[in-house]
Amino acid sequence: AQKITQTQPGMFVQEKEAVTLDCTYDTSDQSYGLFWYKQPSSGEMIFLIYQGSYDEQNATEGRYSLNFQKARKSANLVISASQLGDSAMYFCAMREGPDSGNTGKLIFGQGTTLQVKP
Amino acid sequence: GAVVSQHPSRVICKSGTSVKIECRSLDFQATTMFWYRQFPKQSLMLMATSNEGSKATYEQGVEKDKFLINHASLTLSTLTVTSAHPEDSSFYICSAIGWVTGQPQHFGDGTRLSIL
Repeated sequence: AQKITQTQPGMFVQEKEAVTLDCTYDTSDQSYGLFWYKQPSSGEMIFLIYQGSYDEQNATEGRYSLNFQKARKSANLVISASQLGDSAMYFCAMREGPDSGNTGKLIFGQGTTLQVKP
Repeated sequence: GAVVSQHPSRVICKSGTSVKIECRSLDFQATTMFWYRQFPKQSLMLMATSNEGSKATYEQGVEKDKFLINHASLTLSTLTVTSAHPEDSSFYICSAIGWVTGQPQHFGDGTRLSIL
């Protein structure tokens, strides 16, 4: 069975510093997708970044980058130049199977609460 | 970008009441919609997967008769919590995906349900 693990319940980072949020996964499938979502205290889920299992380069989206280490089954999120507005809960999620022809079902990790200090 | 609208955002009602939550895709056709439940400080728990025109697929442990899901069109899915009790109080959030493969799930803003 697939599984997503986020081992950091809470993290602190100083404003303007970079921070890494850890995520490891377990799957027997060769084709899968990894996602990071941000959930502020208001509750909405904001999509941040996506990495496909066959993507050779690490995904980047603005200040977000995904450190994908396939052999170690890790997909850590790196946030550069932290801002106060980055304070939120962050979820790593995995979709097993190829992009096409699957249900799109996501399995979420436990989440990491990030607090950015001024 | 794609937008998913969820309504209402907050519901407070008496025990025994049935509550309907709507999830709409505003600018794309949602072939599949998902319903999640989230307790405070916890992760999202998938309740069911809903495909347009067919019966929803419920996750293990989720009561079908308690949480009725209807996906009547490519832009609307509803979750009805029947005869709600205080233990049903939670944050319910929907998401949707469309025809375009490889796209992430787009989430609604969620509904905070409080049963008195």
